[in-house]
Amino acid sequence: SQTIHQWPATLVQPVGSPLSLECTVEGTSNPNLYWYRQAAGRGLQLLFYSVGIGQISSEVPQNLSASRPQDRQFILSSKKLLLSDSGFYLCAWRGLAGNYEQYFGPGTRLTVT
Amino acid sequence: RKEVEQDPGPFNVPEGATVAFNCTYSNSASQSFFWYRQDCRKEPKLLMSVYSSGNEDGRFTAQLNRASQYISLLIRDSKLSDSATYLCVVNMRRGATNKLIFGTGTLLAVQP
Repeated sequence: SQTIHQWPATLVQPVGSPLSLECTVEGTSNPNLYWYRQAAGRGLQLLFYSVGIGQISSEVPQNLSASRPQDRQFILSSKKLLLSDSGFYLCAWRGLAGNYEQYFGPGTRLTVT
Repeated sequence: RKEVEQDPGPFNVPEGATVAFNCTYSNSASQSFFWYRQDCRKEPKLLMSVYSSGNEDGRFTAQLNRASQYISLLIRDSKLSDSATYLCVVNMRRGATNKLIFGTGTLLAVQP
């Protein structure tokens, strides 16, 4: 069965510091991968998605970037965090079959101070 | 107009009650529809897909009305463990890509 991992689970970072969040998927090949952010009391916002290694599409202009160095690895980064980057970051995957449903990792709760 | 709209609630219901949530979507070309459940401070989890003919999974029934562009979720015999936020999700095609659009969720609190 497929499993998706994210780490760290929680993170407190000062403004201006760098960020690296990692997501890995097991049990599937060539998944579509997604990064979302959920701000407190708000809906999920799609940040990036990837259909393959090295292929990244950005949904929202911001100071974040994403990379996919391996088939089942998706990384979210920032060079300098802003207060507004605080939120719940969720990685999701979708297989090539199915009805477009996505499955989420446990998330990283980021607080920028 | 939001692409996916839900009543945020909260819906406070006693155990054993039947509760229904509705959701409307703006893009008539949408093809796939889902309900996700999100517990407090946890990730969303797929509850069920919604099919044109309607579908049932135990105490949960989902309905789709394409003409009116709304989706519903009915929960019968509510349990305390049903307390969560229920997200209405619609798949929309944007160019060559399919993307899920999430509603902001409806909060359900089942009371003992």
